[in-house]
Parts: sequence; C-alpha cells; structure tokens
Amino acid sequence: GAVVSQHPSWVICKSGTSVKIECRSLDFQATTMFWYRQFPKQSLMLMATSNEGSKATYEQGVEKDKFLINHASLTLSTLTVTSAHPEDSSFYICSARIAPSRNEQFFGPGTRLTVL
Amino acid sequence: QKEVEQDPGPLSVPEGAIVSLNCTYSNSAFQYFMWYRQYSRKGPELLMYTYSSGNKEDGRFTAQVDKSSKYISLFIRDSQPSDSATYLCAMRANTGTASKLTFGTGTRLQVTL
Repeated sequence: GAVVSQHPSWVICKSGTSVKIECRSLDFQATTMFWYRQFPKQSLMLMATSNEGSKATYEQGVEKDKFLINHASLTLSTLTVTSAHPEDSSFYICSARIAPSRNEQFFGPGTRLTVL
Repeated sequence: QKEVEQDPGPLSVPEGAIVSLNCTYSNSAFQYFMWYRQYSRKGPELLMYTYSSGNKEDGRFTAQVDKSSKYISLFIRDSQPSDSATYLCAMRANTGTASKLTFGTGTRLQVTL
C-alpha cells in the first residue's frame, strides 16, 4: 500500500518559536496533500489542502499566516507552525492522495506538538 | 446537524463477537465511502473503500453502503483484541470543489478477552 511518513513524530517547543513538520509520500507521487489537526478524543479537522506547485487552500478559521504550508514537490509537503502558543498543542496529521481521480487517502503517522 | 453522524461509543465486545459500526449522513452527493482504523497516538489506516451502494468484503471486514437510507456500516467478524481502536467513517462527494473527506467523529471499540 501507499506509505506516508511524517517527521518529527513528536516535538516539544517553547512558546513563540516556530516548528516545521514534514510529510512525505514514500512510494507514490501525491498531487494533493492534506493537513489535519486532531485534539484528544476528537475527530480529524481539516486545516488545509495543498496541491503541488500552487498555494494551499485553507479551511475557514485556519490562519494561513500562522500555519504555513509548502508543497514544493510531488513527494513532500511541509507545515510550519509560526510563533507557536500552548493552544497550538495538538496532533497534526498529513494525508496524501495519488491523483484527483483516485479517492483513497493515505495518512501519515502524525506529529504530536507540545508547546510549553 | 452534522453532515456525518457516528456514535462515539465506547463499544465493548468480547473476543470473537461480530462488531457492527455505523454512520449516517445527510449529504446525498457523497459517492465515495471509506472506513479508517486509528490506534491511539497513530495516524488513521485505510481499511475499506467503497463506491456508491453495495457491499465489499476483505477478510474479516465487510463494508456496506445504502445510499437510499444514507447509511453505511462496517462489520468485523471474529473480533480480536488487536481490533481495539477508534474506527472513523469518511466520505467524499464526486465533485471537484468538494474533493475533501468528511469524517465522522469515530467510534471507540474495545475487544475484551
């Protein structure tokens, strides 16, 4: 099956710092990648959708200047949480789809962010 | 009303039982239906994927879609303790502007020895 990796798997940072999370599709090219956020015992909340080579589309209520997304290649997307605060502490999960016509979405293992 | 409704559980069953997990939805445009399994502190893993109405079987798992009732189910036969996880239903419409998945809240399943 299609494999998606994320790095780092967990990160602890001080308030005010920026954190970058990488998402890679290991054995396929992902035309579209998605970034989700999940709070404990809650479902996934879509933050943004990114297509390779174009700007990300953010969901309502998600600050695009705070959550910077770059989808520079067909196998790599990054999410940078800028000036992180304790309320940004969450589980961030990326997902990738092979092509718009393919409907399966494959998820990464997630990154747990704790902001002190 | 949420677009996708799913009982959060927890659902506790003995080992070997047949498990039935369900979701209802309100958007008749949904065409693609998926079930994901998520272990604690891990990303969701795709279990089953179906298009439109019908059944699909894969090992101990059977997915059913009834579009007329806007109701989907996942059955797990001969449940094992390793099946203990949160099960998320997800669905997507067949239009370019609605190309994102809509998730249920997830049902937490506990299979006991």
